[in-house]
Amino acid sequence: GAVVSQHPSWVICKSGTSVKIECRSLDFQATTMFWYRQFPKQSLMLMATSNEGSKATYEQGVEKDKFLINHASLTLSTLTVTSAHPEDSSFYICSARVGTEGHTQYFGPGTRLTVL
Amino acid sequence: QKEVEQDPGPLSVPEGAIVSLNCTYSNSAFQYFMWYRQYSRKGPELLMYTYSSGNKEDGRFTAQVDKSSKYISLFIRDSQPSDSATYLCAMSSNTGGFKTIFGAGTRLFVKA
Repeated sequence: GAVVSQHPSWVICKSGTSVKIECRSLDFQATTMFWYRQFPKQSLMLMATSNEGSKATYEQGVEKDKFLINHASLTLSTLTVTSAHPEDSSFYICSARVGTEGHTQYFGPGTRLTVL
Repeated sequence: QKEVEQDPGPLSVPEGAIVSLNCTYSNSAFQYFMWYRQYSRKGPELLMYTYSSGNKEDGRFTAQVDKSSKYISLFIRDSQPSDSATYLCAMSSNTGGFKTIFGAGTRLFVKA
C-alpha cells in the first residue's frame, strides 16, 4: 500500500515552454502533498506544501508564479513549471502524507526535467 | 547551523560489514525520526521510523534515537551490494505544521 505515482518520469522541453507534472496517491487519500526539488548529490529541497482545495504554501525563495501548484482532489496534485528555463532543470519529487505524523509521508518516483 | 546535519560521504564498505549512519539535529522539538533510502534517480522510500527515543529493529536494520544528545543512527548488519544507495535521515515535530526536515543524505557503496 501507500503508493505514489508521478507522471511523466522524465521530460525534455524547450526554454520558454510550460511543463505539468502530476502526482497521484494510488491507494490512499492524502491530506497533504509536498513538492520537492533535488539537485545532483544534494538533499531534498521543499518547494511547497499543498492541501486539497486550498492554496499551496510556498517556501521562502520559491516563485509562486513560476511553480504553479494545484491540488484538485485528495489523490491528485499537479506542479506546472511555467516559462521554463535551463536553470529549472532538476529532479522534482512529490510526496503524499496520510495523517499528520512525519512517518506517514510517501514519495513518488520523481520526474527529471531537462530544459534546453 | 543547519537543523539537521548528516555527513554526505561517500561511505564505502565491503560486503558483510556493519554500516553505521548518523545524523545530529538542533531542534529539541523533533519527535518523529525517519530513515529513507534513495536509489539513483528514484524517489526516497521509507525504511524505518522511530517516535521519541529508543531503538527499533527491522531485519538487518536498526534505528537508534538519543534525544538527550540529539543524535540518531541507522545500523545495517551484513551489508549487501543492493544496500548501495543514499540514506537520508528526516525528522519532524507536532509543531510547525508537521514539516519534515531532511538531512543531506549519505551515499553508501557496498562492494562485493
